Amino acid sequence: QQQVKQSPQSLIVQKGGIPIINCAYENTAFDYFPWYQQFPGKGPALLIAIRPDVSEKKEGRFTISFNKSAKQFSLHIMDSQPGDSATYFCAAGGDSNYQLIWGAGTKLIIKP
Amino acid sequence: DTGVSQDPRHKITKRGQNVTFRCDPISEHNRLYWYRQTLGQGPEFLTYFQNEAQLEKSRLLSDRFSAERPKGSFSTLEIQRTEQGDSAMYLCASSLGGFGTQYFGPGTRLTVL
Repeated sequence: QQQVKQSPQSLIVQKGGIPIINCAYENTAFDYFPWYQQFPGKGPALLIAIRPDVSEKKEGRFTISFNKSAKQFSLHIMDSQPGDSATYFCAAGGDSNYQLIWGAGTKLIIKP
Repeated sequence: DTGVSQDPRHKITKRGQNVTFRCDPISEHNRLYWYRQTLGQGPEFLTYFQNEAQLEKSRLLSDRFSAERPKGSFSTLEIQRTEQGDSAMYLCASSLGGFGTQYFGPGTRLTVL
């Protein structure tokens, strides 16, 4: 019940395309869903986060779509650029427990 | 830049030795987290502090691991009698309040020979 399943494991997209990364969770107590971006040799950095009271959130070129009934959420990157090439992690947590449960990550490559 | 800093960035040690890592959080952040990350995996929660109090420990944190945050500022993570399975990136993060954004440091990469 504590798992967060992330797919795909890796993704190659042409510049300008819209990569989509999906995550699914089981624990209905989760109410905080962040996405992190990690470059090699660096710690993860928060991209965008959503609470389950909304179905979509946009920040710049990054959009989270959230489906509470399906217990799924996804990250869309609009007008993707080679500089977006990184590993992306979804995570989930609940206010009663500040521990974040992380997905296994998606290695994204944006081809010029 | 007053982000989260970690020291050392890399540590190579022989099996059985003790190692200690340090994390300096963003100064006004009251919460501090330790994670472990192995290649191709997401970070795994180890423990977290609110100010100087260690509030939660993962069952991943065996008796060989201990963490402290004296005075609620910097934190140390010590691993005693290191094993090859301890080889990983150890990440520290800090936040202000409950689910405030967790800001991560660059990590300490540990290699146990």
